[in-house]
Amino acid sequence: GAVVSQHPSWVICKSGTSVKIECRSLDFQATTMFWYRQFPKQSLMLMATSNEGSKATYEQGVEKDKFLINHASLTLSTLTVTSAHPEDSSFYICSVGNSNEQFFGPGTRLTVL
Amino acid sequence: DQQVKQNSPSLSVQEGRISILNCDYTNSMFDYFLWYKKYPAEGPTFLISISSIKDKNEDGRFTVFLNKSAKHLSLHIVPSQPGDSAVYFCAAKTLAEGAQKLVFGQGTRLTINP
Repeated sequence: GAVVSQHPSWVICKSGTSVKIECRSLDFQATTMFWYRQFPKQSLMLMATSNEGSKATYEQGVEKDKFLINHASLTLSTLTVTSAHPEDSSFYICSVGNSNEQFFGPGTRLTVL
Repeated sequence: DQQVKQNSPSLSVQEGRISILNCDYTNSMFDYFLWYKKYPAEGPTFLISISSIKDKNEDGRFTVFLNKSAKHLSLHIVPSQPGDSAVYFCAAKTLAEGAQKLVFGQGTRLTINP
């Protein structure tokens, strides 16, 4: 399967600051990457689909101006949480996939103070 | 609206016995189902999948059963091993909507007791 990395693995920031999370597909050229969010004891919820060279597609209820996604190459997608607030504290996971499987990164734990 | 549901948040099984994890779905358009295993602070790893044209798929100790009429699937692990202790998510998708959009259940924490 594809190897997916994320950076950073965890981050703590002050309320009101912006945080960028990187997702890299190390051995798979990904025209599409996915960003998920998982709150404690809840399911992974798809936030947006990141498309290489074009705008991301956001799920209902996810603010595109708050969660900026850039998919500039076939191996890198970034998620920027702008003006982060404590309620944005969560576990953010990216994935890449083919028609039958998705391969997930290790996730990024974001804590907003 | 939770389209994929795992009603048991936790399950405890003795080592060597069978673990059965259940999942229900409501969207009849789902035609492909997957099980993922997740350790804390890590991303999910793919375990096994099944297409709606089948009712069973087996891979080593893992077997997934699909009952389309009941909109129910289950993952059987036998024999259970301590390393199987993790959170298990079932996921579903509609291939016609594009190959990759997954809808996840809430997860079931499986604990294998020695």
